[in-house]
Formats: sequence, structure tokens, C-alpha cells
Amino acid sequence: GNSVTQMEGPVTLSEEAFLTINCTYTATGYPSLFWYVQYPGEGLQLLLKATKADDKGSNKGFEATYRKETTSFHLEKGSVQVSDSAVYFCALISGGYQKVTFGTGTKLQVIP
Amino acid sequence: NAGVTQTPKFQVLKTGQSMTLQCAQDMNHEYMSWYRQDPGMGLRLIHYSVGAGITDQGEVPNGYNVSRSTTEDFPLRLLSAAPSQTSVYFCASRGPQETQYFGPGTRLLVL
Repeated sequence: GNSVTQMEGPVTLSEEAFLTINCTYTATGYPSLFWYVQYPGEGLQLLLKATKADDKGSNKGFEATYRKETTSFHLEKGSVQVSDSAVYFCALISGGYQKVTFGTGTKLQVIP
Repeated sequence: NAGVTQTPKFQVLKTGQSMTLQCAQDMNHEYMSWYRQDPGMGLRLIHYSVGAGITDQGEVPNGYNVSRSTTEDFPLRLLSAAPSQTSVYFCASRGPQETQYFGPGTRLLVL
């Protein structure tokens, strides 16, 4: 079956540091890949996505590139802010009935 | 658009009680789903629906029922609550390009 593996958290960074959150996946066919963000006390919201190999998704300074050869979709940001503190989920859609498979989430804490 | 709305925001139940978690969306999306979120386990799919009158089980359906009589509404029923159902529940609908829209969640505590 499909699966998504994310790096364990929490990740604590100082403001303006570089962020990488690793995500690798196993899936049948050609999945679409997503990053969702969950701020405290809220539901998840889409951060960015990529639908085919070598596509780069980007939003709010975050980027992720769909790497089919390494089955990865790592999230990066050049300079994090305190307001980026949240839980980040990697996800994919593939296979019959287009069910979404989520990773376990990575909590990011940015300190001033 | 209100997007995806959920009620209640928080609920406390005693073991054995039943309740319905409400979910509604005003975006005319066909695909809707229910997830539960537990620490260290991410989101797990409970039930989903691909349109009015059509529902199917996800990976953790036991103890939950759903129905989909309209495009807008997708309630989740707990038949006999158990402490293992203490969790945060999210409803989501899927729009164009496979993007999911989540509600704000319902925190459920079963004593």
C-alpha cells in the first residue's frame, strides 16, 4: 500500500534559519504530492503541491520538488519566521478511489 | 463561502453514549471524508464519500457510521463511545486539482 514517511520532530530553529523537513513516499502509479500545514488549534490547510515528477511546488517562501528517482518531496524554506511555527504534513494521492495518505506530521518551532 | 464547517468544537461523552459530529461544506464538492488525528499517528481516514448516497470505509471505520443524503452534509455517528475514540476529528472536502479543504476540527473526550 501507499505510505509517507516524515522526519521525526519536533524541529526547533532560530528565526531566519534554513528549514528542511524530509519526506519520502511509497506509492503505486504516479502520485500527486502535497504539503499541508496545521497551525495551533486549527484544521489543515494546503501549503503547496506537485502533480508530476520534477515539478516544484512553492508558496509563502516554502518550496518542495517532486523527485521520482528518490521518491522524495522535501520541504524547504530559506529563512523561517516565528509565524511559521506549526505542524507540517506530507501527503500523497494515488491509486484507486484517490484516497489521501498522510505522514505523521513534523512539528516546527521557531524561536526569536 | 464558509468552506467546511464542523460542530461541535468540543464534546465530552461518557462511555456508551452516542453522538453525531456534524460536517457541512458549501463548495459543491462531491468527495468528502472524515479523519481522526492522534498524537504520533498523523491523520487516519475513517470514512469517505464520493457523492450523495455513496459512502465507503477508510482504514479505521470500526465504531463509526456515516451517511450522505446531500452533497453538502456528511455527518459522522459514534454509536457507543469508547475511551479509544478520544481524538480530534476533522472533516474534509476535496476540490479541483485534488486539494483538500479541512474543517476546524472537533475535540472529543470520552470518559
